[in-house]
Amino acid sequence: DQQVKQNSPSLSVQEGRISILNCDYTNSMFDYFLWYKKYPAEGPTFLISISSIKDKNEDGRFTVFLNKSAKHLSLHIVPSQPGDSAVYFCAASMTGTASKLTFGTGTRLQVTL
Amino acid sequence: GAVVSQHPSRVICKSGTSVKIECRSLDFQATTMFWYRQFPKKSLMLMATSNEGSKATYEQGVEKDKFLINHASLTLSTLTVTSAHPEDSSFYICSAPHMGLAGGHTYEQYFGPGTRLTVT
Repeated sequence: DQQVKQNSPSLSVQEGRISILNCDYTNSMFDYFLWYKKYPAEGPTFLISISSIKDKNEDGRFTVFLNKSAKHLSLHIVPSQPGDSAVYFCAASMTGTASKLTFGTGTRLQVTL
Repeated sequence: GAVVSQHPSRVICKSGTSVKIECRSLDFQATTMFWYRQFPKKSLMLMATSNEGSKATYEQGVEKDKFLINHASLTLSTLTVTSAHPEDSSFYICSAPHMGLAGGHTYEQYFGPGTRLTVT
């Protein structure tokens, strides 16, 4: 049972434009969401997170939006850069589970010149 | 930022042998660490939670006798794949939550670089 889903396995965006990566979840108990970036044969790197009490969090070029009623979150990267090309995972956690994360299936972002 | 290391980065072993993978938090203490497994083009699957000073907590479907976890100190957790078989070949990643950074949240886990295990 995949509780966190990323329905787009891949995305291609031109350099300078906006990249939008989407994530849906089914468990309403999740109250903290994170985005990680991963290169092949490396561990994921934390990007940005958002608590369920917020609907937006921004950090430089990265903004995460949360729509709790739709159980949907998205990561916006603007402007996209070639170095952003990687696999992006969204992850979710809930209070009382000792930081345990449930990961989505990942979206491979390719930023082209 | 927080750093988590893993050793070895890749290992090839023969079927039936055991392999130990180390996970270290380099500049912070971690009473809890997590072990994940990633199959090709798949998500990261949580295998178990490693707890310093107590037994590991395994996720459903993960054989605790096959994947032995020892949290020897506040900076070291080890995963031993016992009697390895080719189907155990995978990318294993550990992580640790770290609250020490400014504004850090325990949910913001920091991951090691991973270990590629190939069982022949």
